[in-house]
Amino acid sequence: DIQMTQSPSSLSASVGDTVTITCRASQGISSRLNWYQQKPGKAPKLLIYTASSLQSAVPSRFSGSESGTDFTLTISSLQPDDFATYYCQQTYSIPFTFGPGTKVDI
Amino acid sequence: EVQVVESGGGLVQPGGSLRLSCAASGFIFSDYWMSWARQSPGKGLEWVAHVRDDGSEKYYLDSVKGRFTISRDNAKNSLYLQMNSLRAEDTALYYCARVGRHPYYYALDVWGQGTTVTVSS
Repeated sequence: DIQMTQSPSSLSASVGDTVTITCRASQGISSRLNWYQQKPGKAPKLLIYTASSLQSAVPSRFSGSESGTDFTLTISSLQPDDFATYYCQQTYSIPFTFGPGTKVDI
Repeated sequence: EVQVVESGGGLVQPGGSLRLSCAASGFIFSDYWMSWARQSPGKGLEWVAHVRDDGSEKYYLDSVKGRFTISRDNAKNSLYLQMNSLRAEDTALYYCARVGRHPYYYALDVWGQGTTVTVSS
């Protein structure tokens, strides 16, 4: 199985900050990397698919990039609504594994 | 509105069975692969299974293979997860999710609110 790691596991930030979250795959996954946002008591919400494609209706302050097996989610100008937990997921090979999550709080 | 709504969760004893259902609306159900995922405090988010749009292909997480069966009824716009021989480690919030079509490459683009399964004596 492909292992996904995320760093940091949590971070504190302020409104207006730029936040970067990193996800690393244990092997090459050919851009098949998705990012989800989850708020307490809610289902995950797709933000980014195939490493850098922005899901419809997701604000443009969210962006994704990749470098080999490292993937980055960047949130520019953090907004109050962005405080949540973020998960990466690879959909290159079954089982489609998720990272452990990064909690972004104030 | 595009949505999926899960039902059927509950408390079950180890070794017992449960059938989860997911009702889809707002999109052409038969055009999409569908998936089940789960989330527990101990294991985080886990992909559990997915099924092809016509039901002809099914894929499972190794730990549920042989115990869980994913199925669908396109005439009823419904997805199911039959769970047998349940174990304590299957305790989780189970989500139904739509698998995005090309170019989403299996990203889960619509999620339900989940249904809770608790396996305990």
